[in-house]
Amino acid sequence: QVQLQESGPGLVKPSQTLSLTCTVSGGSISSGNYYWSWVRQPAGKGLEWIGRIYTSGSTNYNPSLKSRVTISVDTSKNQFSLRLSSVTAADTAVYYCARGGYGGWYDYWGQGTLATVSS
Amino acid sequence: SYELTQPPSVSVSPGQTASITCSGDKLGDKYACWYQQKPGQSPVVVIYQDTKRPSGIPERFSGSNSGNTATLTISGTQAMDEADYYCQAWDSRTEVFGGGTKLTVL
Repeated sequence: QVQLQESGPGLVKPSQTLSLTCTVSGGSISSGNYYWSWVRQPAGKGLEWIGRIYTSGSTNYNPSLKSRVTISVDTSKNQFSLRLSSVTAADTAVYYCARGGYGGWYDYWGQGTLATVSS
Repeated sequence: SYELTQPPSVSVSPGQTASITCSGDKLGDKYACWYQQKPGQSPVVVIYQDTKRPSGIPERFSGSNSGNTATLTISGTQAMDEADYYCQAWDSRTEVFGGGTKLTVL
């Protein structure tokens, strides 16, 4: 059973960089034809796709966030990470990591981690 | 940027059929997925690649995608189906979620 677990600071100051890591267990991040994504959800609002990475290192990002987002993968640690720079209060949300397959379906999700941007 | 439009809310009586639509420009040229999310939980995929149902998802969930509209249909809706539903459009370069629809079973 594949499991994903987000980790990282729960509080980030405005203008700083939000950094989160997703640890994958129960399977290799390199195996199978999957990609790995970050999705966020502000309180009481909908889901927003942030971006995805293939184990080849190829990435795709949400155009509205592209200038501030970097997603990377560390296959040796079975982890992938998110960096979001120049954060504001609008970036406060629950951040999910998820495993995706061809056609966009996410079959495994982390439990989500709340990241709050505040001074 | 690409946008998907869903109705904010849909109501249905138990045992009846609920339909939730998702509209986007040439959505039928992309893959559509549907996710169910209950309060405090992570989303769960109920339909992927337009019409496919993952194992463990009841047969009462079905999907279609053509033209500019994808539709999630829940036949014989049960109280346990009350949740937020999100459509998702996927192609090789990007993906986007709809704004979500709150399904109320009353």
